[in-house]
Amino acid sequence: KAGVTQTPRYLIKTRGQQVTLSCSPISGHRSVSWYQQTPGQGLQFLFEYFSETQRNKGNFPGRFSGRQFSNSRSEMNVSTLELGDSALYLCASWPDSQETQYFGPGTRLLVL
Amino acid sequence: KQEVTQIPAALSVPEGENLVLNCSFTDSAIYNLQWFRQDPGKGLTSLLLIQSSQREQTSGRLNASLDKSSGRSTLYIAASQPGDSATYLCAVNDYKLSFGAGTTVTVRA
Repeated sequence: KAGVTQTPRYLIKTRGQQVTLSCSPISGHRSVSWYQQTPGQGLQFLFEYFSETQRNKGNFPGRFSGRQFSNSRSEMNVSTLELGDSALYLCASWPDSQETQYFGPGTRLLVL
Repeated sequence: KQEVTQIPAALSVPEGENLVLNCSFTDSAIYNLQWFRQDPGKGLTSLLLIQSSQREQTSGRLNASLDKSSGRSTLYIAASQPGDSATYLCAVNDYKLSFGAGTTVTVRA
């Protein structure tokens, strides 16, 4: 089975722009979560989706949003980018019957 | 708010030595605890998951224990190898994963 895929892998944007990141879960997985990883704050939870519904949300400003499609693919959007949004964004998926989360390779975002 | 702490932050050992990585958390109302491995610039690889009702979990050279009442977990890696060099992250699941900052391990050949 193919693992979790994330696109793009690398991205450079400037302050004030917006960005959309994509995550394709492992086939059959309906749960998807997103995390932000920075050297200063470590790994922080952004959102969790199940069957197109947001189940949980972390403590991030409203500039961070996400959605999940009927095929379980998920996207996250960051509007009005700030320098502090530079980070590795990780997506994870897991099947209904398990709790182990399987992570993708991440999208590295650099905001200049 | 759940706080997860990992000690030590970094560890360097000669090949063959056993590794002991510690994780502590502040709120014991958790569903499970997971240990992950992260190689530089890469995503996370799940190593072990311990349910809140379990005391330990084993996979090959890895053994993880959980003492929920005291808010502690320990990951043991037996007979370390250079390929074990990575950052090890502990994550507690209390409706979302809360991660520690990780322990960076270097195994010297």
